[in-house]
Amino acid sequence: NAGVTQTPKFRILKIGQSMTLQCAQDMNHNYMYWYRQDPGMGLKLIYYSVGAGITDKGEVPNGYNVSRSTTEDFPLRLELAAPSQTSVYFCASSYGEGPYEQYFGPGTRLTVT
Amino acid sequence: KQEVTQIPAALSVPEGENLVLNCSFTDSAIYNLQWFRQDPGKGLTSLLLIQSSQREQTSGRLNASLDKSSGRSTLYIAASQPGDSATYLCAVEEGGSEKLVFGKGTKLTVNP
Repeated sequence: NAGVTQTPKFRILKIGQSMTLQCAQDMNHNYMYWYRQDPGMGLKLIYYSVGAGITDKGEVPNGYNVSRSTTEDFPLRLELAAPSQTSVYFCASSYGEGPYEQYFGPGTRLTVT
Repeated sequence: KQEVTQIPAALSVPEGENLVLNCSFTDSAIYNLQWFRQDPGKGLTSLLLIQSSQREQTSGRLNASLDKSSGRSTLYIAASQPGDSATYLCAVEEGGSEKLVFGKGTKLTVNP
């Protein structure tokens, strides 16, 4: 199993550009999550999904969009990038409802200049 | 709103020492609590998950305890090693939310 994979690892965007961060998991997990981590801070939830076709907002959803057309993939779309979106983005997944661990990808380091 | 606090923010110890990392949360209505390890430039690795009905969980040299009523958890690391150097994050899942709320972490350095 590859676990949770994320692409790209690094990206530099100019203000106003758009991009999609890719996330995939091969563990047949139902739940998937997107977090951002700013320097010296804990992770904050952006969006999450409890299954294909179902998404919901987390704590900091503004400026982002998600879709979940398959169980395996959960892309995060940034529209009109702003410097405030400079961060490290982590995707995670878990089996489902219940006390299940969340498994994290290696992260995407995004800089908006 | 649930808030998670980790103290200390950084800790430096000599190899072989036993140590305790602290985590506190403001709302005791949690479903479970997880401890994670994060190495520089890497993702998070789950270390231990404690369900709300449990008091502690153990894995190797790690022992995590949970006191829901007082809103506290501790991560005990026995006989620390340089390879334990990392940032340790605590996160709570509020009942029925499927969402984790994270602390800012404790950066641990174990000196040889």
